[in-house]
Amino acid sequence: DTAVSQTPKYLVTQMGNDKSIKCEQNLGHDTMYWYKQDSKKFLKIMFSYNNKELIINETVPNRFSPKSPDKAHLNLHINSLELGDSAVYFCASSQDYGTIPSPLHFGNGTRLTVT
Amino acid sequence: AQKVTQAQTEISVVEKEDVTLDCVYETRDTTYYLFWYKQPPSGELVFLIRRNSFDEQNEISGRYSWNFQKSTSSFNFTITASQVVDSAVYFCALMPQNNNAGNMLTFGGGTRLMVKP
Repeated sequence: DTAVSQTPKYLVTQMGNDKSIKCEQNLGHDTMYWYKQDSKKFLKIMFSYNNKELIINETVPNRFSPKSPDKAHLNLHINSLELGDSAVYFCASSQDYGTIPSPLHFGNGTRLTVT
Repeated sequence: AQKVTQAQTEISVVEKEDVTLDCVYETRDTTYYLFWYKQPPSGELVFLIRRNSFDEQNEISGRYSWNFQKSTSSFNFTITASQVVDSAVYFCALMPQNNNAGNMLTFGGGTRLMVKP
């Protein structure tokens, strides 16, 4: 009955590879997100996506691309992985009540290690 | 531009002590929301509280309390009678009401709280 689930929990890969992280939410929320947490615990938004639009943090390299097959899923694809991509990636979801944002519900994170 | 500052990177207390985690924010929006999240050693992010900018009433939930001072742009978090299970990294975050921003949370750098027995 996990609300926001991510797979895999751990991902170890080599530089230059392409990888994906999957995210699913069963809360019926209409907005999903990807956040990156670096080694210093700093959390930064990467993408915000609902069925209307994708909003991209301008600092995110275009090697990162979110893909949403349906409202309950937002997967993260990463091409040509680099050492600096090593981090914990969190998926989250929320319900857009118009002008009142609901709290974000986060997944448990995916720890990506690029060697 | 939004900015959240948690000046205390690490705090260590002994069990049963009270501890306050500071949060200062910057925003040009007149309406916004403030949040606190807890990240225990297991790594998940747990929502604690949401407060909108028009509601300056302090809130108490068990041993947790929050003090919102719009005049000083602060949203501080106090844990009373701390327990070892409170050990975690605590994040303060800001979200503008303007939905053109995609409901994106801007996080502070986090405060690591260590409660020793």
